Amino acid sequence: SFELTQPPSVSVSPGQTARITCSGDVLPNQYSFWYQQKPGLAPFLVIFKDNERPSGIPDRFSGSSSGTTVTLTITGVQAEDEGDYYCQSADGSGSWMFGGGTKLTVL
Amino acid sequence: EVQLVESGGGLVQPGGSLRVSCSASGFIFRTYWMSWVRQAPGKGLEWVANIKEDGTEKFYAGSVKGRFTISRDNAKKSLYLQMNTLRAEDTAVYYCARFPYAFLTGGYFDLWGRGTLVTVSS
Repeated sequence: SFELTQPPSVSVSPGQTARITCSGDVLPNQYSFWYQQKPGLAPFLVIFKDNERPSGIPDRFSGSSSGTTVTLTITGVQAEDEGDYYCQSADGSGSWMFGGGTKLTVL
Repeated sequence: EVQLVESGGGLVQPGGSLRVSCSASGFIFRTYWMSWVRQAPGKGLEWVANIKEDGTEKFYAGSVKGRFTISRDNAKKSLYLQMNTLRAEDTAVYYCARFPYAFLTGGYFDLWGRGTLVTVSS
């Protein structure tokens, strides 16, 4: 198996930029994906293939990749962006994994 | 409407069995890999199992391998997870998810159900 490591929490003020990192040895060779989850609700996809946005996701959400670390960036954070964010990837041989999750707090 | 709806969760004793189901609508079910993902109370997401479009390939997380079986019925647009020898640590919300898999992308979860709660307790 493999691991994806995220910070437990990130806090920003409205209008600022939030950056959530995800580190793992598979990331130089595998795509990353990001999900948002709000309390009591199912997760939903916000970034796929490192830096692509599904339709309907605001363009303030972006993704980037550098070596063993991928980053979800939310530019101009809004109160509605508060929630838990999970990165996800694969090992290329039949195993998929989520990071531990990062709680984004909008102050 | 494109949606996934899980059912079958409930309370089961340790060592017992339970089957949860997922009904798909609004998309061509037989053309997608499908998955189960779970979330223990207050914890993060954990991938559980994947199944290929035609059911010929299945993959499991190490924590459930040998105890859980994923299956599908394309005619009924349904996905199933048979859970045997359940343990307290299997207590979680079980989500059904659509899994557009391609070798080059590795696969991801692009449509989720609302989940069904499985509680393993005596």
